[in-house]
Parts: sequence; structure tokens; C-alpha cells
Amino acid sequence: EPEVTQTPSHQVTQMGQEVILRCVPISNHLYFYWYRQILGQKVEFLVSFYNNEISEKSEIFDDQFSVERPDGSNFTLKIRSTKLEDSAMYFCASEGARELFFGEGSRLTVL
Amino acid sequence: SQQGEEDPQALSIQEGENATMNCSYKTSINNLQWYRQNSGRGLVHLILIRSNEREKHSGRLRVTLDTSKKSSSLLITASRAADTASYFCATDGSSNTGKLIFGQGTTLQVKP
Repeated sequence: EPEVTQTPSHQVTQMGQEVILRCVPISNHLYFYWYRQILGQKVEFLVSFYNNEISEKSEIFDDQFSVERPDGSNFTLKIRSTKLEDSAMYFCASEGARELFFGEGSRLTVL
Repeated sequence: SQQGEEDPQALSIQEGENATMNCSYKTSINNLQWYRQNSGRGLVHLILIRSNEREKHSGRLRVTLDTSKKSSSLLITASRAADTASYFCATDGSSNTGKLIFGQGTTLQVKP
């Protein structure tokens, strides 16, 4: 069964460092998303991406965040200068037939 | 209550019993979905119910939707220890995108 894969599964970084989280969506899907879940809190929408551009983004997705699909398969989330409050699980999702398929997540720990 | 808010927050039952989780939301919706999350893992889609549907079944899962009350319930029948997980409802807030608004979730523990 096709699945969304995310790397790394866990990343530890120092505050102020840049982080890139990678996702390989399901191959025939066209809509891609990033969500995050701070420990013990609910899953929050960050950004949606379609046709090589952002279609919607939340208030959380400020100038420190960016997304791109550099090579037609990977879908990346970059955090330019991490803050302590960026520590969370980041989930990538791709959409097929109105159903979102989520990856296992990348746990980011900012020290 | 906030969009997609579940209750109870935590539920502990014995194997074989039924588990009922409720979700309330605020805005109009096109559909409502339920997801499961095992501890530290990703989200697994369980079931989608459209705004014009009142009830839907999938295996041991039964979902109801009452748009007049802006509420939904998820019933897991004949629960198993493997059902232990967090369960989230998510609404689309009547958008036609995949932007979902998740609730806080119900943590279900099924004791063997």
C-alpha cells in the first residue's frame, strides 16, 4: 500500500539553526500539507501546497517557514532559524480522493 | 467549545466493552473525519462522514453526525487492547481544501 514517508524521524537541533524536514508524498497525489503537533496538544494546520505553490497557510506559518517541492517527488519544510517553541511533531500529508494520508511524522527537538 | 473538541478527554474501558467518543465543532462543514494516533506515531484515517450523512459504519466503527447540534460521535464496538490510542475528529470548516481543524482528542485505554 502506498504511503507517505518522512525523514528524519527525529532531529535535535540548537536554537537558531536551520532545519529541513523531508517528505515523499504518495506518487499520484497533487495536494500536499504540513501539520504540526506540539506535545500534548492538538494537530495544527501549517500549510497546503498545490501546483508548486502555497495554496493556504496558517498564522503559525510565518516568514521563518518555507516549503518547496524541489524535484517533483520530495516535499520539504524548512524552518530558517528554529526557536524553542518549534519543538513538535511535524506531519506531512498528501491528499487522494478527499482523504489525507499522513506520514509517521518528524519529531523536532530544539534545544 | 473549540472547533473539533472531543469528550471525554480520556476513557478507560475493559476489552469487549464499547467505547463512545464525542466531538463538537463550531463552523459549518462539508465533512467530518475521525483519525487514530498510536502513541508517538502518525495519524491514521478511520472514517469520513459527509455533512448530508447521519450515520456511517466501517467494521467495528460507527460514526454519527448531527449537523443541527454540530456534533459527531465515534463508537468502537467490542473493543480490543489494540484499540488503545488517541482518537481525533477533524473538520474541514466548509473549505474545499485539505485543511483540517483537529480537536484535542480522546485518549482511549482498553484494558485486556
